[in-house]
Amino acid sequence: NAGVTQTPKFRILKIGQSMTLQCTQDMNHNYMYWYRQDPGMGLKLIYYSVGAGITDKGEVPNGYNVSRSTTEDFPLRLELAAPSQTSVYFCASSRGQGVFNEQFFGPGTRLTVL
Amino acid sequence: QQQVKQSPQSLIVQKGGISIINCAYENTAFDYFPWYQQFPGKGPALLIAIRPDVSEKKEGRFTISFNKSAKQFSLHIMDSQPGDSATYFCAASMRWRNQGGKLIFGQGTELSVKP
Repeated sequence: NAGVTQTPKFRILKIGQSMTLQCTQDMNHNYMYWYRQDPGMGLKLIYYSVGAGITDKGEVPNGYNVSRSTTEDFPLRLELAAPSQTSVYFCASSRGQGVFNEQFFGPGTRLTVL
Repeated sequence: QQQVKQSPQSLIVQKGGISIINCAYENTAFDYFPWYQQFPGKGPALLIAIRPDVSEKKEGRFTISFNKSAKQFSLHIMDSQPGDSATYFCAASMRWRNQGGKLIFGQGTELSVKP
């Protein structure tokens, strides 16, 4: 199993450009998450999904959108990139709640907005 | 109320020493407290976790101590090794309360173990 995969690994965007960060998991997990990691700030939840067709906002959703049409994929969309969105983005998945709460993380996408 | 506060931000320990990282929370509804370890260029990975009805959990050289009344928990790394050099995150969750399994992370501690 590849686990959680993310593409691209690195990306530089200009202000106002759009892009989609891809996330795929092959563990048949129902729950998926998007986090951003900034130095000294920990990981902040952007959006999460508890199953195909179901998404909800996390702590810092502004400027982002998500969709979940399949169990495996959970893309994150940046519509109008801003310098404040420069960060490392992590996708994660888990089987569910309760004892299945362990989250498995992808390797991350480092995004720079200039 | 949803915050988890972690300290110190960075820590330097000699090989063989004990590394201690502390976290504090406010929300008494949290019922699951994991620690994640992250190596440079990688995603975080679960290291060890504890429930609030347990005061201590040990796995090898890693121990979580939990103080429910003080709303604090800590990670102790015994006999620290250079291979333990990484960033450590504490987290909290309401994993039984239909909250989508969300984790609230602390700010992270960058640990460096010197040979």
